[in-house]
Amino acid sequence: ETGVTQTPRHLVMGMTNKKSLKCEQHLGHNAMYWYKQSAKKPLELMFVYNFKEQTENNSVPSRFSPECPNSSHLFLHLHTLQPEDSALYLCASSQEGRLAGGGSETQYFGPGTRLLVL
Amino acid sequence: KQEVTQIPAALSVPEGENLVLNCSFTDSAIYNLQWFRQDPGKGLTSLLLIQSSQREQTSGRLNASLDKSSGRSTLYIAASQPGDSATYLCAVPDSGAGSYQLTFGKGTKLSVIP
Repeated sequence: ETGVTQTPRHLVMGMTNKKSLKCEQHLGHNAMYWYKQSAKKPLELMFVYNFKEQTENNSVPSRFSPECPNSSHLFLHLHTLQPEDSALYLCASSQEGRLAGGGSETQYFGPGTRLLVL
Repeated sequence: KQEVTQIPAALSVPEGENLVLNCSFTDSAIYNLQWFRQDPGKGLTSLLLIQSSQREQTSGRLNASLDKSSGRSTLYIAASQPGDSATYLCAVPDSGAGSYQLTFGKGTKLSVIP
């Protein structure tokens, strides 16, 4: 596998369920990101991990819990979600988690997990 | 706080037409600007990245320009094809953040009619 992969691709869960989203990058990058994409809204950055350390948490509710066991894997643990949490959750990676490379830094995205909370 | 706006929100053109997508940003102190493509229900694919010192970048039928002083970028698509139908997003890094964060526009949904 190459690039950034995400599983599952689709997920339906009840408000009382606990589930996890998985992201894996095969690019040798050191930074990984979770984004949320809701209908008619811009992509919202949720979390940033740089060298396995969480460097950003953009006021995300505690019902979303990220985990980064190593630079290649990123999880998003979900519990007691609300229907408004239904969205496309995208994972991305980049070489570094800070602006570097003379402005040539870019992020590579996975295909996303389409989440529906009933 | 950086804000990114894309106009129009949706665009429908017949095959073969040349078209321009617009992106504007409020803070001109940007590090770079990227254009992404997103197919329905899929992730994002980077199309072009323009560094702050550059004025344009070209890739095949795509040409992106950057005018930092006016806070604008355009994506020009020549000889459009049905396969170009997708949502096009522009994004800039948040220079005020300690980590590499991208601020995205809402996108322009392009439909190319055969």
